Amino acid sequence: AQTVTQSQPEMSVQEAETVTLSCTYDTSENNYYLFWYKQPPSRQMILVIRQEAYKQQNATENRFSVNFQKAAKSFSLKISDSQLGDTAMYFCAFEANSKLTFGKGITLSVRP
Amino acid sequence: DTAVSQTPKYLVTQMGNDKSIKCEQNLGHDTMYWYKQDSKKFLKIMFSYNNKELIINETVPNRFSPKSPDKAHLNLHINSLELGDSAVYFCASSPGQWDQETQYFGPGTRLLVL
Repeated sequence: AQTVTQSQPEMSVQEAETVTLSCTYDTSENNYYLFWYKQPPSRQMILVIRQEAYKQQNATENRFSVNFQKAAKSFSLKISDSQLGDTAMYFCAFEANSKLTFGKGITLSVRP
Repeated sequence: DTAVSQTPKYLVTQMGNDKSIKCEQNLGHDTMYWYKQDSKKFLKIMFSYNNKELIINETVPNRFSPKSPDKAHLNLHINSLELGDSAVYFCASSPGQWDQETQYFGPGTRLLVL
């Protein structure tokens, strides 16, 4: 069974600064995918970024990038130039065998 | 145009009632899912259908019965509602049933059982 651990329940960052959200996972699978989803107060689940486990290169989407360390089973999300609209809950997720397993989430607050 | 839609957005009902939540996707995807997000915001998969066939059924009480009339729709019917069923239910879809596909979520249905 897969497990996804987000050990920090909440974080706070000053607008325009950089913040890193951590995530670790445990699996015996070789082929899998990792995701970060954002859930703002509107409750909508929004895909932020995804990483294929077979790719060594870290995924990047504008201000969002990941640090994927396969051997350490670590998948952290870096948000650069934080904006007020980044305030949300962030979920790390693991997908294998068509099944998405989520971490408990971290609440990120961006301070003006 | 909404990609994955759910109705209703809010549902307040009494214990013991039966209720349904509807989900539709206009993305042409083959696979649809139901997730439950509890009061602690923990998200867990309940069911997955590929082209109208059940492929994932987590340990969900049999009071919950998903129905897929066609591959664009996956409805969730809940019998004899209990207080613990109060949660936000999310529908999602992905192109197929392979691992490498991103799942797209609907806006969620907040169910409150009194």
